[in-house]
Amino acid sequence: GENVEQHPSTLSVQEGDSAVIKCTYSDSASNYFPWYKQELGKGPQLIIDIRSNVGEKKDQRIAVTLNKTAKHFSLHITETQPEDSAVYFCAASGNSNYQLIWGAGTKLIIKP
Amino acid sequence: NAGVTQTPKFRVLKTGQSMTLLCAQDMNHEYMYWYRQDPGMGLRLIHYSVGEGTTAKGEVPDGYNVSRLKKQNFLLGLESAAPSQTSVYFCASSSDHQPQHFGDGTRLSIL
Repeated sequence: GENVEQHPSTLSVQEGDSAVIKCTYSDSASNYFPWYKQELGKGPQLIIDIRSNVGEKKDQRIAVTLNKTAKHFSLHITETQPEDSAVYFCAASGNSNYQLIWGAGTKLIIKP
Repeated sequence: NAGVTQTPKFRVLKTGQSMTLLCAQDMNHEYMYWYRQDPGMGLRLIHYSVGEGTTAKGEVPDGYNVSRLKKQNFLLGLESAAPSQTSVYFCASSSDHQPQHFGDGTRLSIL
């Protein structure tokens, strides 16, 4: 079955710097890749997603890139701010949005 | 603007006890899901439903049962709780080919 690996498990960056989180997936049929942000005591919240017919998608300071050949996708956060501190999860799925397979999460720490 | 509401938020059970976790959504979504979240393991799908009256097994269904008698509600049951079921449980809902929306979780401890 599908497997999603996420790296790093913890990422500490200086406020204002960029952060990059990477995920790899195993099933070449996967075609939907969402990223979720989870704050302490809350449920995951979608921040950006990409489908396999697109190589890159941006939303203000957040961008996601997808390399279908290499089967990996990345989350890029520029000009990081204290409120970006959270746990970020990547996920992948095939023909439908259910049966998402999740990465283990990355704890992002923004240092003032 | 409630979205997905989970009750209770916290619960402590003794081994062997039973309980039901409740999930309600007000977005008229067809699909609903139950996940468990354990440290270092991300989210794992327990059961899901693609419509009222239907349920299906996810990645880790053993020890759990679900019911979807009404479109807006999805119930997760533990018939005989075990310490291995100590976890944070999340409910989510979505429309077809749309992102999943999550509740804020139920923190369950089994002693």
